[in-house]
Amino acid sequence: DSGVTQTPKHLITATGQRVTLRCSPRSGDLSVYWYQQSLDQGLQFLIQYYNGEERAKGNILERFSAQQFPDLHSELNLSSLELGDSALYFCASSVGANSDYEQYFGPGTRLTVT
Amino acid sequence: GENVEQHPSTLSVQEGDSAVIKCTYSDSASNYFPWYKQELGKRPQLIIDIRSNVGEKKDQRIAVTLNKTAKHFSLHITETQPEDSAVYFCAASNSGGGADGLTFGKGTHLIIQP
Repeated sequence: DSGVTQTPKHLITATGQRVTLRCSPRSGDLSVYWYQQSLDQGLQFLIQYYNGEERAKGNILERFSAQQFPDLHSELNLSSLELGDSALYFCASSVGANSDYEQYFGPGTRLTVT
Repeated sequence: GENVEQHPSTLSVQEGDSAVIKCTYSDSASNYFPWYKQELGKRPQLIIDIRSNVGEKKDQRIAVTLNKTAKHFSLHITETQPEDSAVYFCAASNSGGGADGLTFGKGTHLIIQP
């Protein structure tokens, strides 16, 4: 157990809908990263928040957004969902702002868009 | 941006033998190289990492080597055991070039034959 929690574990929704994925980092960690894992694209970095502020953006679509709250939990919002958004979504947390701090992954949320 | 190539995609070894997985990266400024192990349906788990100021790091049966000149790094697992069967991902990041997440390789499916 990494200490990072994610909810829900599974999510099934229809195209065009909007969903919110939640992540709570390990105690003491200030950074939250979001990654998408799919068979064709592999593990891809989406976005990072550090202590409530957006710090880095990766391959995140405009239909996706995220935020980090004062208690450091983070939410990833996915809207206008398409079939191709079906994937495993992981968050990871680390203590520092830079990407060379060890990142610990949560159990993931499996999103299925039908 | 950074690009990480990982080989082989599948590796089958006899129990007790050694396994080597290789990765190359494109950004010469990358300075942090973690390795993750992912079992089926589970989260990626950090198993070892190396920073650019170090050429080799070892932790029991696992070792990682880094060749900055050639821009490649490798994971070595000795005395393989059935529980080593999993998908292994290498990753790279440049923490000094501004904010960024990890760039992952496509993964190596390691199969330990009894």
